[in-house]
Amino acid sequence: EVQLLESGGGLVQPGGSLRLSCAASGFTFSTSALTWVRQAPGKGLEWVATVTVSGGTTFYADSVKGRFTISRDNSKNTLLLQLNSLTAEDTAVYYCATDKGAFHIWGRGTMVSVSS
Amino acid sequence: DIQMTQSPSTVSASVGDSVTITCRASETISSWLAWYQQKPGKAPKLLIYKASTLETGVPSRFSGSGSGTEFTLAISGLQPDDIATYYCQQYKSYAGMFGQGTKVEIK
Repeated sequence: EVQLLESGGGLVQPGGSLRLSCAASGFTFSTSALTWVRQAPGKGLEWVATVTVSGGTTFYADSVKGRFTISRDNSKNTLLLQLNSLTAEDTAVYYCATDKGAFHIWGRGTMVSVSS
Repeated sequence: DIQMTQSPSTVSASVGDSVTITCRASETISSWLAWYQQKPGKAPKLLIYKASTLETGVPSRFSGSGSGTEFTLAISGLQPDDIATYYCQQYKSYAGMFGQGTKVEIK
């Protein structure tokens, strides 16, 4: 079964850090660019970051640039997102997705809550 | 940044009706447009990519059209299972990817 499964979300204080993981199975992970998309409670979808197939090139939304880092480990079929200097505005469900321009496969999401 | 504007924000229709959702881009994006369906508490699901290509497994009552700056998602014969929020996404560039969403309700 083709699957992406996120983990690592939770409650963190403002200024804190989290590392999200996305484990892939059922498809050739190393041939897909990968993306994180987030959705704040009751809001729409927001693109966060993308990493290319090799992991050599990354792209970030202005809202997270300099605070978040996307990376991948093709040997472990895992996508990562390091979240630093978190603020309340980062509270959202974070989804990983395969990226062929359109996002074909999505995970179920992991919730990140930033609150004191 | 490219701005994606969907209309209407909400549409209410009866089972069996045809529903049309429009997405406008602030600059031309050729056919680099996708449509997603999202049900409450669930991840988005890709319906259509490259403006009009139906994703595998998606019912044929969904169709997409358009190019350049104006695009349409049509549902012919609305079913109760189609109750969801629908998003368009441009993938010509990363900034300003998604429209704000259109909620489809049953009248």
